[in-house]
Amino acid sequence: EDQVTQSPEALRLQEGESSSLNCSYTVSGLRGLFWYRQDPGKGPEFLFTLYSAGEEKEKERLKATLTKKESFLHITAPKPEDSATYLCAVGHNTDKLIFGTGTRLQVFP
Amino acid sequence: EPEVTQTPSHQVTQMGQEVILRCVPISNHLYFYWYRQILGQKVEFLVSFYNNEISEKSEIFDDQFSVERPDGSNFTLKIRSTKLEDSAMYFCASPPTGIANTGELFFGEGSRLTVL
Repeated sequence: EDQVTQSPEALRLQEGESSSLNCSYTVSGLRGLFWYRQDPGKGPEFLFTLYSAGEEKEKERLKATLTKKESFLHITAPKPEDSATYLCAVGHNTDKLIFGTGTRLQVFP
Repeated sequence: EPEVTQTPSHQVTQMGQEVILRCVPISNHLYFYWYRQILGQKVEFLVSFYNNEISEKSEIFDDQFSVERPDGSNFTLKIRSTKLEDSAMYFCASPPTGIANTGELFFGEGSRLTVL
């Protein structure tokens, strides 16, 4: 069965304290792995797509990496405005995305 | 940046009532999706709609649910007889190009449905 698991469930960081979020997945025929950011009460906002093991994408303080079984979202020197829930999703041979439960990140000044 | 607009932002209804949630997707797009998120749980796929037909639907999308594009712009999700467990945030989404299903989606702000 296709599955996406994210850890940790919640993460509290001091401003400037770098860390990583993990997304492990089992899916047949991976079409892509996607990272989204979700603010409270809002819809998910697209961040990155990764297609193959070894691929990396960067955007400001965020960097996403992909292996054959997991993806990491590295946050370098986070700021309070990076506080959000970060969602990982996988696409395979159908239309749908399968989402994980997310990591709720809080960054304190 | 293109927008996906959803109405209402919040609807409260009695169990057994019909609900229609509306989405105005990015114009001229062919691909649309509905996802839902029960409070504190993961975002779940409901249905995909391509070129005015259902492309794929999940087990959640049973006979109580239907989707339509009645006037070529609005895209609706109808729940015929709501149940308590239908309480959730419902998101409409569309890919930025509108013609290719890449997995990169623009999500609307969502419609929160509360069933009493």
